[in-house]
Amino acid sequence: KNQVEQSPQSLIILEGKNCTLQCNYTVSPFSNLRWYKQDTGRGPVSLTIMTFSENTKSNGRYTATLDADTKQSSLHITASQLSDSASYICVVSAGRTYKYIFGTGTRLKVLA
Amino acid sequence: EPEVTQTPSHQVTQMGQEVILRCVPISNHLYFYWYRQILGQKVEFLVSFYNNEISEKSEIFDDQFSVERPDGSNFTLKIRSTKLEDSAMYFCASSESDRGVTGELFFGEGSRLTVL
Repeated sequence: KNQVEQSPQSLIILEGKNCTLQCNYTVSPFSNLRWYKQDTGRGPVSLTIMTFSENTKSNGRYTATLDADTKQSSLHITASQLSDSASYICVVSAGRTYKYIFGTGTRLKVLA
Repeated sequence: EPEVTQTPSHQVTQMGQEVILRCVPISNHLYFYWYRQILGQKVEFLVSFYNNEISEKSEIFDDQFSVERPDGSNFTLKIRSTKLEDSAMYFCASSESDRGVTGELFFGEGSRLTVL
């Protein structure tokens, strides 16, 4: 069964600190993996996309990694800001079509 | 920057009433989707739509739900007889293609449905 699991479920950090969010998936065949940021009450917004051949990709203070062998991805946030407080959702595309498998999300709270 | 727009932002309705949620996808996108998110839970797939017909639907998308693209720009989700458990945030999304980099989903801001 195609599944995407994320950890931790929630995380609280102080402003300026770094953090890493995890995503494990059992999706086959794997197409790509995206990290989305969802502010409370808003629609998700794409941060980055990882394809099978990519190991690391950065978008400003966000760095995503992908290990296709272990079927794990991480999202590292550097020098966190208050505006980083949001849910971060890992979405894996299965096969060659529009089947997107959503993770449960990690709720991040950055405190001043 | 092009965006997906949804209306209404919030709708309160009585159980058993019909509700129509509206979406205007990004103009050059060809694939359209509805998702829902019950408060505190994960985003759930409802239906995908391409070439004026449903491509795929989930178990949630039963006979009470229907989608339509009436005029080439709007994409609507209709719930015929709402139930309490239909209370959720409903997100419309669109994508340029159904795969690869151009398969990125662009989400609207959501329509919050409250069924009393």
